[in-house]
Amino acid sequence: EPEVTQTPSHQVTQMGQEVILRCVPISNHLYFYWYRQILGQKVEFLVSFYNNEISEKSEIFDDQFSVERPDGSNFTLKIRSTKLEDSAMYFCASSGQGNGYGYTFGSGTRLTVV
Amino acid sequence: GENVEQHPSTLSVQEGDSAVIKCTYSDSASNYFPWYKQELGKRPQLIIDIRSNVGEKKDQRIAVTLNKTAKHFSLHITETQPEDSAVYFCAATLNTGFQKLVFGTGTRLLVSP
Repeated sequence: EPEVTQTPSHQVTQMGQEVILRCVPISNHLYFYWYRQILGQKVEFLVSFYNNEISEKSEIFDDQFSVERPDGSNFTLKIRSTKLEDSAMYFCASSGQGNGYGYTFGSGTRLTVV
Repeated sequence: GENVEQHPSTLSVQEGDSAVIKCTYSDSASNYFPWYKQELGKRPQLIIDIRSNVGEKKDQRIAVTLNKTAKHFSLHITETQPEDSAVYFCAATLNTGFQKLVFGTGTRLLVSP
């Protein structure tokens, strides 16, 4: 079964540093998403991406965040200057359709900001 | 925007009992409602979903019901087993282009042997 791959699985960074979280969506999917889950809390939407541009973003996704699809396979989330409150599990997801159907989540990157 | 509420936050049952988790949503335009199971430190995994043109859907021990008028939907697990222990999230979304999933707050289900 096709999978969404995320790297690294765990990243520790110092406050103020830039981090890049990487995702390889399923190859024939066209819609890409990033979600965040603070420990013990619900999964929260950050951003959706289609046709090489952001289609929607949440209030969480401020100027410190950016996404990119640098080539035909990778989808990245960059946090420019990390804060303690950015510590969370970040999930990438992709979908072949843009309506919530067929979502596949990656295994996540646990980001710890110290 | 859409808001999804989920109850209870924790649910403890004995093995073999049934478990019911309930969610309500705010946006009457939402028309796709998936349920995810998340084990500790793992990704959310889709276990069942329902679309707004269907009132009930069943897959072996798991069923989901939808009441569009009341804007609520429920997950039913029968004959629970210890391996059902996990956090369950409901979600809702619109059936239009590149729509985000709006998740409920989660229910921690503990099935005791």
